[in-house]
Amino acid sequence: KAGVTQTPRYLIKTRGQQVTLSCSPISGHRSVSWYQQTPGQGLQFLFEYFSETQRNKGNFPGRFSGRQFSNSRSEMNVSTLELGDSALYLCASSLETGGSTDTQYFGPGTRLTVL
Amino acid sequence: GDSVTQMEGPVTLSEEAFLTINCTYTATGYPSLFWYVQYPGEGLQLLLKATKADDKGSNKGFEATYRKETTSFHLEKGSVQVSDSAVYFCALSRAFGGKLIFGQGTELSVKP
Repeated sequence: KAGVTQTPRYLIKTRGQQVTLSCSPISGHRSVSWYQQTPGQGLQFLFEYFSETQRNKGNFPGRFSGRQFSNSRSEMNVSTLELGDSALYLCASSLETGGSTDTQYFGPGTRLTVL
Repeated sequence: GDSVTQMEGPVTLSEEAFLTINCTYTATGYPSLFWYVQYPGEGLQLLLKATKADDKGSNKGFEATYRKETTSFHLEKGSVQVSDSAVYFCALSRAFGGKLIFGQGTELSVKP
């Protein structure tokens, strides 16, 4: 079974631009979560989608948004990029049986650099 | 709110040494606990998990026991290898919502 895939793997943008990152979950997984990883802040939860609905959201500004499609694939968008948005963005999927025991499986990440 | 605290790194060990990485958590209720590992340039891989008190998770020689009384989930391995060099993250999750809360990560370097 294929793992979580993320595209693109690397991205370079300039301040003020916007960017869209894509995530394809493991087949059959219905929940997709996004995380931002930086050296200073570590791993921080962005949001989680289940059945095309955002179910949980972290403490990030409204410039960060996402969506999920009917096939469970997900995209996240960052508008008006700032230098501080440079990070590794990780997507994770889980089967979502409805409890905290669900395990999240991570993709390789998208490395975003904002110049 | 919920939080996870790990021992600071980097941790440098010789091959075949014993490894302990401490992890403590703060959470109400009974969260699930996880250890993930991240190799250079890669995403996170699940190493092991435990879903209730006194559960022991194990994988690839690594073990961790869910201790409710001390709110801890320390990672141990009896004999580390150079290939174990990576960053290790302790994390917890609550029911629903897919939100994992991570510790700051502990970098492990194993020398031959």
